[in-house]
Amino acid sequence: TQLLEQSPQFLSIQEGENLTVYCNSSSVFSSLQWYRQEPGEGPVLLVTVVTGGEVKKLKRLTFQFGDARKDSSLHITAAQPGDTGLYLCAGVRRDRGSTLGRLYFGRGTQLTVWP
Amino acid sequence: DAMVIQNPRYQVTQFGKPVTLSCSQTLNHNVMYWYQQKSSQAPKLLFHYYDKDFNNEADTPDNFQSRRPNTSFCFLDIRSPGLGDAAMYLCATSSGTRDYGYTFGSGTRLTVV
Repeated sequence: TQLLEQSPQFLSIQEGENLTVYCNSSSVFSSLQWYRQEPGEGPVLLVTVVTGGEVKKLKRLTFQFGDARKDSSLHITAAQPGDTGLYLCAGVRRDRGSTLGRLYFGRGTQLTVWP
Repeated sequence: DAMVIQNPRYQVTQFGKPVTLSCSQTLNHNVMYWYQQKSSQAPKLLFHYYDKDFNNEADTPDNFQSRRPNTSFCFLDIRSPGLGDAAMYLCATSSGTRDYGYTFGSGTRLTVV
């Protein structure tokens, strides 16, 4: 059972187009993180959103955390071929009474941006 | 730079032959995690160490074990690798109590022949 559902699974667009990737769950997370992963490499953290309703911008990337802290979205404006990669969302959960966070991933969205 | 290093980057092992993957960190983080990522799938948490405390995920097969001899090193042992264990294995670290600061290594790609 996947805790986090990402959509779409694959996205192929032309340079200059805008896109949005969604990450949804029925569970509440203390935070959501977005990673980008290149083939043969480990995930690299892009952003962490902690507060419900929070919006963070990283150049052409805009990240939003849902008010109920169950979902998030990643919007890319004017996509470039360099944005090509696997985008993973991940949620931090803590067991009751524990301060230790564990990170659970969605399946990812494979983005291809054509010149 | 502080980082998480995994060795080797690529490992080929024979069916049923024990194999060990290595992870080291210079971040002095309390927590070290092991994830398994199969092709086109999400990284799946196998287990983690919080200092010396070992925590197994409920659905991690007994075939997978881990050792953490000190703060800097953590090992993943696969006792009898099967073809279904071929995957990318990712090591990550965090301070544990904060939501920030998860750092991943580059992974070890395991092939079982």
